[in-house]
Amino acid sequence: LAKTTQPISMDSYEGQEVNITCSHNNIATNDYITWYQQFPSQGPRFIIQGYKTKVTNEVASLFIPADRKSSTLSLPRVSLSDTAVYYCLVGDKSNYQLIWGAGTKLIIKP
Amino acid sequence: EAGVTQFPSHSVIEKGQTVTLRCDPISGHDNLYWYRRVMGKEIKFLLHFVKESKQDESGMPNNRFLAERTGGTYSTLKVQPAELEDSGVYFCASSQHGEGLAYEQYFGPGTRLTVT
Repeated sequence: LAKTTQPISMDSYEGQEVNITCSHNNIATNDYITWYQQFPSQGPRFIIQGYKTKVTNEVASLFIPADRKSSTLSLPRVSLSDTAVYYCLVGDKSNYQLIWGAGTKLIIKP
Repeated sequence: EAGVTQFPSHSVIEKGQTVTLRCDPISGHDNLYWYRRVMGKEIKFLLHFVKESKQDESGMPNNRFLAERTGGTYSTLKVQPAELEDSGVYFCASSQHGEGLAYEQYFGPGTRLTVT
């Protein structure tokens, strides 16, 4: 079965770039890698998704190496409001189930 | 555009009772998912509907859980009888038809279920 591994927590400061990496072995060949942000007492909110190489939108970039066994979410110039839990989500190759990471609690300090 | 809504936002019931959670997906979204997060643990997939059909229910913990999606619109998740370990936050998400399972999903705010 696929397993995703993320750092449990990270700290950073306002204005810095933050990179969160998720390892996901046995990822489904034809599925996306998706990242979500979650604030307390709210449902996860979609940030970005990609299939390979690099994807960029107005809030983040996603870097995916050729073997797709990991992905890195990059948040440029974070602010206090970026303090949240960040999850990666992939599809498992063997049983085609959705696999969530345990989440990375990101704390941004002033 | 209205987002995914869930009802109730919080439910407190006693062990052995029945609870029904409701999810209204975004209009036009064929895919509907149920997830559960137990305190301190990661989000777990429960099941996936494509329209009114159960595409994958392999994440349902046991036969005390029953999900339905009549007419391919809203969905209900019934827990009967509830046990203490069923406590947690139940999320619903919906997505348009897209390639792969991990396609962009829109989540509701969740229903916090407390079984005492």
